[in-house]
Amino acid sequence: DSGVTQTPKHLITATGQRVTLRCSPRSGDLSVYWYQQSLDQGLQFLIHYYNGEERAKGNILERFSAQQFPDLHSELNLSSLELGDSALYFCASSAYVEGADGYTFGSGTRLTVV
Amino acid sequence: DQQVKQNSPSLSVQEGRISILNCDYTNSMFDYFLWYKKYPAEGPTFLISISSIKDKNEDGRFTVFLNKSAKHLSLHIVPSQPGDSAVYFCAASGFGGGSQGNLIFGKGTKLSVKP
Repeated sequence: DSGVTQTPKHLITATGQRVTLRCSPRSGDLSVYWYQQSLDQGLQFLIHYYNGEERAKGNILERFSAQQFPDLHSELNLSSLELGDSALYFCASSAYVEGADGYTFGSGTRLTVV
Repeated sequence: DQQVKQNSPSLSVQEGRISILNCDYTNSMFDYFLWYKKYPAEGPTFLISISSIKDKNEDGRFTVFLNKSAKHLSLHIVPSQPGDSAVYFCAASGFGGGSQGNLIFGKGTKLSVKP
């Protein structure tokens, strides 16, 4: 157990729908990162939050949004889902606001859009 | 535009021998490099890292080499063990080039260590 909790583990939904993925960071970590891993692709950086504030955006679609709450958990909202959004979505947490050291990943949410 | 490339999707090695996983990058602003290991149904776990001011970092059976002029790094595992069988991701970070300090990953290399 890495200490980063992602729910649900699996999600199957239809095209056009909206889903919310949840991440609870490791205790004491203030940074939360979201990554997407599509078939045969590496992990693509989506977005980074630190202590409730958005710090950086990567290749995140406009249909996707995220937020980090006062208790530091984060949610990734995916709307108007398309077949191509099927992927593994990973959350990672870190104690730091900057720098790549100390990322701890959750076990991911597998999203299947049918 | 892929900034971190792992050109070998898979690698098969005999137990006890050396495994060498390669990674190339294009962005000269990257200043920190990491290797992550991923087992099925789990998230990636940190393995070893190297700063751009070094050319080698060693941790037990794992050694990472960095060749900045060639924009190339490699991970050596000696001796390889069946439990090392996993997907290995190379990652880089650094400000500039859009990474903004966050990790940019390669597509991964699946290592199979045969008994």
